[in-house]
Amino acid sequence: DADVTQTPRNRITKTGKRIMLECSQTKGHDRMYWYRQDPGLGLRLIYYSFDVKDINKGEISDGYSVSRQAQAKFSLSLESAIPNQTALYFCATSDPSGGPYNEQFFGPGTRLTVL
Amino acid sequence: AQSVTQLGSHVSVSEGALVLLRCNYSSSVPPYLFWYVQYPNQGLQLLLKYTTGATLVKGINGFEAEFKKSETSFHLTKPSAHMSDAAEYFCAVSSMNTGFQKLVFGTGTRLLVSP
Repeated sequence: DADVTQTPRNRITKTGKRIMLECSQTKGHDRMYWYRQDPGLGLRLIYYSFDVKDINKGEISDGYSVSRQAQAKFSLSLESAIPNQTALYFCATSDPSGGPYNEQFFGPGTRLTVL
Repeated sequence: AQSVTQLGSHVSVSEGALVLLRCNYSSSVPPYLFWYVQYPNQGLQLLLKYTTGATLVKGINGFEAEFKKSETSFHLTKPSAHMSDAAEYFCAVSSMNTGFQKLVFGTGTRLLVSP
C-alpha cells in the first residue's frame, strides 16, 4: 500500500463550489505539506503543518484553507473554487529529524479542474 | 532568497544517449540541493540530494549530479538513457525557517526518450 494517499485522484467542479481534497499517510511523519503544480511553474507551497496544533500558510494560501484532523490526515479545502485554481495538487510528508536535507514523500496527486 | 533555475523545459534524447539536465541555484548560504523525478500520473520521488562533503552525488536508477560551487550548478546526468527515464525532473533547494524545511522547486524539465 502507498505511504501517502490522496483522494480523489481527479475532480471536476464548477466555479463557486466548495471542494475538499484529502491526504492520508502511514509514514508516521509529523510534517505535512500541500503543494500546487502548474505547467511551467513547478511546485508551490500552499500550507504546511508541523503537527495537529500547528498550521502555517505557504506562499500561495489565498483562496485555500486546511485542516489537520490527526497526525495522519491533512485536508485542503477550496471554499469557493475559481477556474485559476485548476491545477495538480500534491500532499507531502517529512520527518523533522534531518533538518534541511530531509526527503519529502509525495502522494500521487489530485488533478482538479474548475469550470 | 534562494532559488533554482532549470534550463530547458523539454530535453529530447535517444535511447542510449547521454542525459544532461541543467540546474543552477542562487543561495546566500551553503545550499542543500535535491533532484526529484515525477513519472506519469505519479507523485514526486527523490532521485538524489547534496548536503555536504562529496561533490559528486549518486542517486537511484544510474543518475548522478555534481555540485559545482564556482558555477552555482547542480546538473543531473546519466550516461545512457533508457525509455523508462522519460519523466519530468525537478531541481530544488532546501532551507530551514523557524524549524520548517522550505523546498523551492525549479520549473521542471521534461525528458523525452526516443527509441
